[in-house]
Amino acid sequence: ETGVTQSPTHLIKTRGQQVTLRCSSQSGHNTVSWYQQALGQGPQFIFQYYREEENGRGNFPPRFSGLQFPNYSSELNVNALELDDSALYLCASSSRTRTYEQYFGPGTRLTVT
Amino acid sequence: AQKITQTQPGMFVQEKEAVTLDCTYDTSDQSYGLFWYKQPSSGEMIFLIYQGSYDEQNATEGRYSLNFQKARKSANLVISASQLGDSAMYFCAMREGQLGNTGKLIFGQGTTLQVKP
Repeated sequence: ETGVTQSPTHLIKTRGQQVTLRCSSQSGHNTVSWYQQALGQGPQFIFQYYREEENGRGNFPPRFSGLQFPNYSSELNVNALELDDSALYLCASSSRTRTYEQYFGPGTRLTVT
Repeated sequence: AQKITQTQPGMFVQEKEAVTLDCTYDTSDQSYGLFWYKQPSSGEMIFLIYQGSYDEQNATEGRYSLNFQKARKSANLVISASQLGDSAMYFCAMREGQLGNTGKLIFGQGTTLQVKP
């Protein structure tokens, strides 16, 4: 069974630009969650997608948006990038029938200059 | 509100010894799940162990065990026979929501573990 993959691995953007991060969920998992992890902190929940719809959102502004596709892969889009958006972005895939499984991808490290 | 507290910013342990990483949680839900993850310097978040709130037995996975004390709302991770490769950041997390709803994970601040040779 394939694990969770994310692309790109690293990304450097300028303040005000837009970025798209991608995540492929683990085989058999239909739910994808996105997290932001600032340096030295624990991950913070951004939002979750289930059956192509947003299913819960954390305390993040609307310029953070997402998509889930029929194959359960997902995108995280961030508009009007700010310096504080610099972080490691992690996605996690899970299954509603096996809630103890929450597997993370390797993350995308975003630097905003 | 749900909260995870890890009070040990950093820990040292001698190779081959056991170490306990502390985690306390706060929730008003009757049904919840507790997770431990390991995060090496590479950044990937590696799942270690899971404990459901209704599980009567403490979870074990190889060298990892979870000391679950529900009345005290603690879920400490015990690593036996520490290895140099165990050096990493460790996060305790709680799944918010009822069984059948994957829910979001709430993370603690993490504990950095360094294993000395």
